[in-house]
Amino acid sequence: SQTIHQWPATLVQPVGSPLSLECTVEGTSNPNLYWYRQAAGRGLQLLFYSVGIGQISSEVPQNLSASRPQDRQFILSSKKLLLSDSGFYLCAWSAQVEKLFFGSGTQLSVL
Amino acid sequence: KQEVTQIPAALSVPEGENLVLNCSFTDSAIYNLQWFRQDPGKGLTSLLLIQSSQREQTSGRLNASLDKSSGRSTLYIAASQPGDSATYLCAVRSTSGTYKYIFGTGTRLKVLA
Repeated sequence: SQTIHQWPATLVQPVGSPLSLECTVEGTSNPNLYWYRQAAGRGLQLLFYSVGIGQISSEVPQNLSASRPQDRQFILSSKKLLLSDSGFYLCAWSAQVEKLFFGSGTQLSVL
Repeated sequence: KQEVTQIPAALSVPEGENLVLNCSFTDSAIYNLQWFRQDPGKGLTSLLLIQSSQREQTSGRLNASLDKSSGRSTLYIAASQPGDSATYLCAVRSTSGTYKYIFGTGTRLKVLA
């Protein structure tokens, strides 16, 4: 069966520090991968999605970036965090059956 | 540009009631629609997926319907229980050739014992 791992669960970072969030999927090949952000009391905002290794589509201009170095690995990064980067970050994957499956999320607080 | 709206934003009901959650979308050219449940501080759990050619899907006490032409979907929960308390979100995937899922802002449901 397929599983998705996302870590860390919580993260507190100072403004201006770098960020790296990692997500891996097991049990499937060539998944579509997604990064979403959920601000407090708001809906999910799509940040990046990827349909293959090295293929990244960005939805929102910002100081975040994403990379897909391996088929089932998706990384969200920032060189310098802003206060506005605080939020709940969710990784997700989908395959041919079209259902979207989510990881457990990372609560990021930028102070 | 596809926009997804969920009304009401919050709902409180006594245990045992049947209830309906609503999801509206502006562009009827969708590939599918999916309903999710989110518990506080957790990721989203998929409940039901309806393809554009389908009218409804059922799983246990849950029934989701889709009226693509009017841009609406409903999630029906029968005999609600306190364990159903959570935020429910719907998401649509448009037929624009991308793999993007656009989410509504959710309905926060509280079932009172």
